[in-house]
Amino acid sequence: GQQVMQIPQYQHVQEGEDFTTYCNSSTTLSNIQWYKQRPGGHPVFLIQLVKSGEVKKQKRLTFQFGEAKKNSSLHITATQTTDVGTYFCASPTQGGSEKLVFGKGTKLTVNP
Amino acid sequence: DTAVSQTPKYLVTQMGNDKSIKCEQNLGHDTMYWYKQDSKKFLKIMFSYNNKELIINETVPNRFSPKSPDKAHLNLHINSLELGDSAVYFCASSQLGGVTEAFFGQGTRLTVV
Repeated sequence: GQQVMQIPQYQHVQEGEDFTTYCNSSTTLSNIQWYKQRPGGHPVFLIQLVKSGEVKKQKRLTFQFGEAKKNSSLHITATQTTDVGTYFCASPTQGGSEKLVFGKGTKLTVNP
Repeated sequence: DTAVSQTPKYLVTQMGNDKSIKCEQNLGHDTMYWYKQDSKKFLKIMFSYNNKELIINETVPNRFSPKSPDKAHLNLHINSLELGDSAVYFCASSQLGGVTEAFFGQGTRLTVV
């Protein structure tokens, strides 16, 4: 079964509004990675979180890893049209770190 | 200079045909993957290779056969193509399995008619 559940599946926002996508797992994750895929493009790595409670920022993007290492979020402040795309979380499965499993993704559209 | 390159980018073929997709990475990574992305954008892992040895084989029909001649290459051969095989196939590599980030190729959009 799927390792990580990601919500929402779709999000439409007006430019300037904030956006958040969430990933949840029933098991402890060794790490969580976030990727962005632009329309027609391929997934591109954004960041990796490893430590419990970790928070990392990249300009308007804030990534969090839960204290129990079972959930994570990506928050974008004041979205821009360049933020459009599908955001995926991913994590290696338990007992087999060779397998990187992706959440179903959140497709973000931004109305100018 | 592309880190992970796969060819072809587009592939249109008839049902029943056999086709191959090639992938090469110049990053010196040990792990390579094949993912299938359907129309809903779900990324499903198909195969994982570590240092040219098959590690993970998800519930993929045996019409799909990966081959890794060396750790820099992972090709995907598909026999007897079906309509449901239409999707975008991504090759990816990482230094150390799921512990490190994955680098994706540009994708191959396969359309079976």
